[in-house]
Amino acid sequence: AQSVTQPDIHITVSEGASLELRCNYSYGATPYLFWYVQSPGQGLQLLLKYFSGDTLVQGIKGFEAEFKRSQSSFNLRKPSVHWSDAAEYFCAVGAQSNTGKLIFGQGTTLQVKP
Amino acid sequence: EAQVTQNPRYLITVTGKKLTVTCSQNMNHEYMSWYRQDPGLGLRQIYYSMNVEVTDKGDVPEGYKVSRKEKRNFPLILESPSPNQTSLYFCASSTRDRVHEQYFGPGTRLTVT
Repeated sequence: AQSVTQPDIHITVSEGASLELRCNYSYGATPYLFWYVQSPGQGLQLLLKYFSGDTLVQGIKGFEAEFKRSQSSFNLRKPSVHWSDAAEYFCAVGAQSNTGKLIFGQGTTLQVKP
Repeated sequence: EAQVTQNPRYLITVTGKKLTVTCSQNMNHEYMSWYRQDPGLGLRQIYYSMNVEVTDKGDVPEGYKVSRKEKRNFPLILESPSPNQTSLYFCASSTRDRVHEQYFGPGTRLTVT
């Protein structure tokens, strides 16, 4: 069965420090992979996506993610975190294309220290 | 502005009292979906619709109904809400050829007492 695991429930980083949020997936075929961000009281905003091709994908707000098939991972990175990045981050895999279902990880809450 | 809207944003109700959460999108998207978000579980799909009059169950459909009479609207109906349906609900939409690139609404926080 398809699944997504985000091993870190909560992460705290200092403003200006680098960030890496981990995501591991289980999926039989080449997956569609996504990272979403949810700010307090807001809906989910798509940060970036991977469908095929270059394994390093760039997204909005200075985020990037790298698809590593051998490790079944799609980790999210940012070189320098801003206070406004504090939010909850969800990794998701696109399952069976005829349903459009997204399978989400449990989420990682990012806290940014001044 | 392209968007998915949900109403109400917050709702407190009692067990057994039928309710409807509306979802509307202005992007002419064929695909629409409902998710619920619970702590530690991420988001789980309740129902989805590939187009008008075409709906199907997701992973957690029990206790919910949907309809798709118009392309822009996809209401979620709880005929007899129970406390275990207390959750944060999201509606999403996308084009049919890019179903996984979904635009999400702002969410509806439902509490059933």
